[in-house]
Amino acid sequence: AQSVTQLGSHVSVSEGALVLLRCNYSSSVPPYLFWYVQYPNQGLQLLLKYTTGATLVKGINGFEAEFKKSETSFHLTKPSAHMSDAAEYFCAVSAMEYGNKLVFGAGTILRVKS
Amino acid sequence: GAVVSQHPSWVICKSGTSVKIECRSLDFQATTMFWYRQFPKQSLMLMATSNEGSKATYEQGVEKDKFLINHASLTLSTLTVTSAHPEDSSFYICSARGGSSGQETQYFGPGTRLLVL
Repeated sequence: AQSVTQLGSHVSVSEGALVLLRCNYSSSVPPYLFWYVQYPNQGLQLLLKYTTGATLVKGINGFEAEFKKSETSFHLTKPSAHMSDAAEYFCAVSAMEYGNKLVFGAGTILRVKS
Repeated sequence: GAVVSQHPSWVICKSGTSVKIECRSLDFQATTMFWYRQFPKQSLMLMATSNEGSKATYEQGVEKDKFLINHASLTLSTLTVTSAHPEDSSFYICSARGGSSGQETQYFGPGTRLLVL
């Protein structure tokens, strides 16, 4: 079974519109959850993470994500898309059952239309 | 804080030569570093995990004699692609775990694009 599922390999939004990138995970224990962004020909930049505590986490560039245990989800949102948000986004999970290694989703490419 | 650098960013080499890629944590000590490979339009594939002062742990299917990893200090890990062939052409990304955010967070380098002719 896949550990991290990102629904939609490509998402297209208009500038100023809501961004919603979906991520579901499978883990038998509370995991650590991460969102990374990758711009073309670059490494990954950490956007935000959830470890413990408040389930709504805020990250850089106006992004936030909410950990919903009942839905095993960690969807990434941003109220208003900017052209500079166009990139590929990876959801990742780290848990003891994965040897505390990061397991990545397949990635979602976000396109922002002017 | 928590910056990871890689060198070189680009390398083109002839088939049969060896290529060394350096990964450095610039402002924190990383007891654990990771090496990933990323194919076009795909996610990251973990190749190996290296801990300072000990042998690297390779993922299934990754040839340890082909991809030599050395983690000589708390701030430096190197990946050497030995006797490179065109199929080794890829984007290699390193990651270091640590920093002020704690041991659960991995920070990534900018990547090294390898082209073997």
